[in-house]
Amino acid sequence: EAEVAQSPRYKITEKSQAVAFWCDPISGHATLYWYRQILGQGPELLVQFQDESVVDDSQLPKDRFSAERLKGVDSTLKIQPAELGDSAMYLCASSLGTSGISETQYFGPGTRLLVL
Amino acid sequence: KQEVTQIPAALSVPEGENLVLNCSFTDSAIYNLQWFRQDPGKGLTSLLLIQSSQREQTSGRLNASLDKSSGRSTLYIAASQPGDSATYLCAVDRGSTLGRLYFGRGTQLTVWP
Repeated sequence: EAEVAQSPRYKITEKSQAVAFWCDPISGHATLYWYRQILGQGPELLVQFQDESVVDDSQLPKDRFSAERLKGVDSTLKIQPAELGDSAMYLCASSLGTSGISETQYFGPGTRLLVL
Repeated sequence: KQEVTQIPAALSVPEGENLVLNCSFTDSAIYNLQWFRQDPGKGLTSLLLIQSSQREQTSGRLNASLDKSSGRSTLYIAASQPGDSATYLCAVDRGSTLGRLYFGRGTQLTVWP
């Protein structure tokens, strides 16, 4: 069964350092989402791609976060510099993205980030 | 902004009990509602998806209902098992082309033998 892949699974870094997370969606899925989940809370959308284009980054802290999906397949989320409050689980999800309206999202295992 | 609330925040029950998890949302203009399961330190697994035109969905021992007009959904788990222990998240989708999901904080379920 096809799955969303993420790496690394765990990342420990010191504040002010740069970190990057990688996501490979299910093959053929045009829409890719990055969510952040703080411990004890539900996930919140950071950025959404349709193919290589950003369609929603309204909740992305653009002073320190960036995301790209250059070839419309895999994606990278970067934080520079990391802050203590960035400690969270970063989840990637994908959906077919062909119907023009909401579709089932499939989630990866997540990357757990700890900033010291 | 859509607000999603889940009650209770935590639940601990003995094996075999039937139980109900509750989800409420503030904006009834939704496209669908999903229930997810999340094991500790893991990603999300979709359990059930209810379209706004539907009243309920069933999968095995799970049954989810939706009352869009009152902004409520319930997840019913029959004959609970220790393997059901996890956090259950409710998420609503407004149905725009953006497809953003709005999540509740979840109900942490523990089923003890």
